[in-house]
Amino acid sequence: DQQVKQNSPSLSVQEGRISILNCDYTNSMFDYFLWYKKYPAEGPTFLISISSIKDKNEDGRFTVFLNKSAKHLSLHIVPSQPGDSAVYFCAAIPGNNNDMRFGAGTRLTVKP
Amino acid sequence: EAGVTQFPSHSVIEKGQTVTLRCDPISGHDNLYWYRRVMGKEIKFLLHFVKESKQDESGMPNNRFLAERTGGTYSTLKVQPAELEDSGVYFCASSQQAGRGGYTFGSGTRLTVV
Repeated sequence: DQQVKQNSPSLSVQEGRISILNCDYTNSMFDYFLWYKKYPAEGPTFLISISSIKDKNEDGRFTVFLNKSAKHLSLHIVPSQPGDSAVYFCAAIPGNNNDMRFGAGTRLTVKP
Repeated sequence: EAGVTQFPSHSVIEKGQTVTLRCDPISGHDNLYWYRRVMGKEIKFLLHFVKESKQDESGMPNNRFLAERTGGTYSTLKVQPAELEDSGVYFCASSQQAGRGGYTFGSGTRLTVV
C-alpha cells in the first residue's frame, strides 16, 4: 500500500510565482519527512527535510510545512525559477526503522 | 568526492535472462540502499545494507532478487530469472548515517525486460 501520496502528477507555474507541492501520508509512525528533486537521467537529490517536532523548516527559497493532525506536508518554492523544473518526491521515515518511503512524484514546470 | 555510481545506466534483456546491477557508494558510507521506480510510480524501498550486512530486506519483491555487498564496499543486485514486471529504474543510495538526513542517490539503472 502507498503510505506516501502525491496526488498531483504535475504542476505548472509562472517564473517568479510561488510553487506549492503537496504530500499526504497515512502512516502515523512517520516522524521525519524529506523532499527530493530529480532531473531527467539523474538520481533524486536531497532538497529539504523536517522533523515531526516542527511545523516549518525554511532554506532559502524552499520552505516545508508539516501539519501532523492532517498528515499533510507541503513544499513552497518562492520565487519559482525555470531551473526548478524537475520531478519532486516527498519521502517519509518512520521512527521505528529507517525505511524511507517515497511518493510518486510531482513534475513541476516553471515557465519563463 | 565522487558520488554514488551505478552501472550499467541502461540494460535491455529478454525475459528469463539474468542481469546484475552494480552500485559503488560514496567512500566511507556504511549505509547502502536499493530502491526501484516502476512506470513512473513511487520510488520503492528494496533493501538496506549496513556495511556488508543486510539490515532490512523487507522490500525485496521475491527470491529472484539477490543483493550482495561483499566487503562492505560496492553492492550488486542480481535478478534471475528476469520477468517483464521487473522493468523499471533501480536506484542505489548511500549515507553515513542511517535514516535521518538526505541520502545520496546514484543516477539509476534503467532495466527493460522484453
